[in-house]
Amino acid sequence: KQEVTQIPAALSVPEGENLVLNCSFTDSAIYNLQWFRQDPGKGLTSLLLIQSSQREQTSGRLNASLDKSSGRSTLYIAASQPGDSATYLCAVRGSGGSNYKLTFGKGTLLTVNP
Amino acid sequence: GAVVSQHPSWVICKSGTSVKIECRSLDFQATTMFWYRQFPKQSLMLMATSNEGSKATYEQGVEKDKFLINHASLTLSTLTVTSAHPEDSSFYICSASGGLAGGTDTQYFGPGTRLTVL
Repeated sequence: KQEVTQIPAALSVPEGENLVLNCSFTDSAIYNLQWFRQDPGKGLTSLLLIQSSQREQTSGRLNASLDKSSGRSTLYIAASQPGDSATYLCAVRGSGGSNYKLTFGKGTLLTVNP
Repeated sequence: GAVVSQHPSWVICKSGTSVKIECRSLDFQATTMFWYRQFPKQSLMLMATSNEGSKATYEQGVEKDKFLINHASLTLSTLTVTSAHPEDSSFYICSASGGLAGGTDTQYFGPGTRLTVL
């Protein structure tokens, strides 16, 4: 059974700092990995999706990497802003048959202080 | 494109009553819809997967008689929490995909529904 762990559970940084969020998963047989943002009481916004054959994806100040063999992904946020404050969720999609399901981590609560 | 809506966004009900939550795909046909539940500071947990016109497939530990799912059209799925109890209070999120369950199409998520059972 796939398990996804996100570290740290919470992170508080001053505005302008670069930061890294970590995600690890136990079963490396994944189809893809996705990073989401969730604001309090809201749904999910997809940030980046990395296919299993890819090493990284970039969008603006965000960069996500994937090391499938070691079961790890990182989300790098450059020059953080107060508007980046949210919970960041990592989800992996299994591969094969009914395993094409998303398994989520518990998330990292990020607070960027002005 | 690929917008998914949920209604209501929040609901408060008395213990023992039933609550219906709607999930709609606004600009695409959702062959498959997924229902998730999220408790505070916990990850999203998949409850069930439904294909249009078919019975839903429930995850282990989810009571199908308590959480009734209907996916009668390609743009609408409903989740009915029957005889709700305080422990059912949670954030319910749906997602929709244009592909088949077990496929690789992207899931698009709704904004969620906060259910509070008194």
